[in-house]
Amino acid sequence: GEDVEQSLFLSVREGDSSVINCTYTDSSSTYLYWYKQEPGAGLQLLTYIFSNMDMKQDQRLTVLLNKKDKHLSLRIADTQTGDSAIYFCAEVDGGSQGNLIFGKGTKLSVKP
Amino acid sequence: SQTIHQWPATLVQPVGSPLSLECTVEGTSNPNLYWYRQAAGRGLQLLFYSVGIGQISSEVPQNLSASRPQDRQFILSSKKLLLSDSGFYLCAWQPGLAGTDTQYFGPGTRLTVL
Repeated sequence: GEDVEQSLFLSVREGDSSVINCTYTDSSSTYLYWYKQEPGAGLQLLTYIFSNMDMKQDQRLTVLLNKKDKHLSLRIADTQTGDSAIYFCAEVDGGSQGNLIFGKGTKLSVKP
Repeated sequence: SQTIHQWPATLVQPVGSPLSLECTVEGTSNPNLYWYRQAAGRGLQLLFYSVGIGQISSEVPQNLSASRPQDRQFILSSKKLLLSDSGFYLCAWQPGLAGTDTQYFGPGTRLTVL
């Protein structure tokens, strides 16, 4: 079955780059997503990448997609304390009408 | 623009009591709607989804139920809460037409069952 794997924790210093990694299983997923969840809040869509792209950049965020290895990463440049949150990777469940399958989330801690 | 609301924001209920959580969406028609539960320190578990009024699909067996009485209203219910029902409940909507499959989440309801 489909599964999305992420490491659970990442700690970086303010100003450094953060790289959050994700592996997925459904090669037919047309889009792959990154969501951010701040404490006590819902998930906020950060960015998504179409499966025929290798890279997408949006200000401080860079998404890299390696379809061969089914590996997705999110790079946050110049990480700030406000970036501290849980980051979820998600793929489309190919067996559904468009449901998403989420990883367990990576908790990013940014130290001053 | 589209907005999604969840009510209430927090809830403390005794074991065995009933539950009703509401989710409403504005600014769109025919959305797909989802209920997720997020237990402490864990990822998202899809509970129910709906592609239209009265159409509910359940992902996991449980003592919860869902209903969609109106196009933009999704309700999560239980007749008798269990301790294990505690968690953070998130509602999400997705455009009903073909697109990016992006889901947009509400602010969530924190449920504590004592």
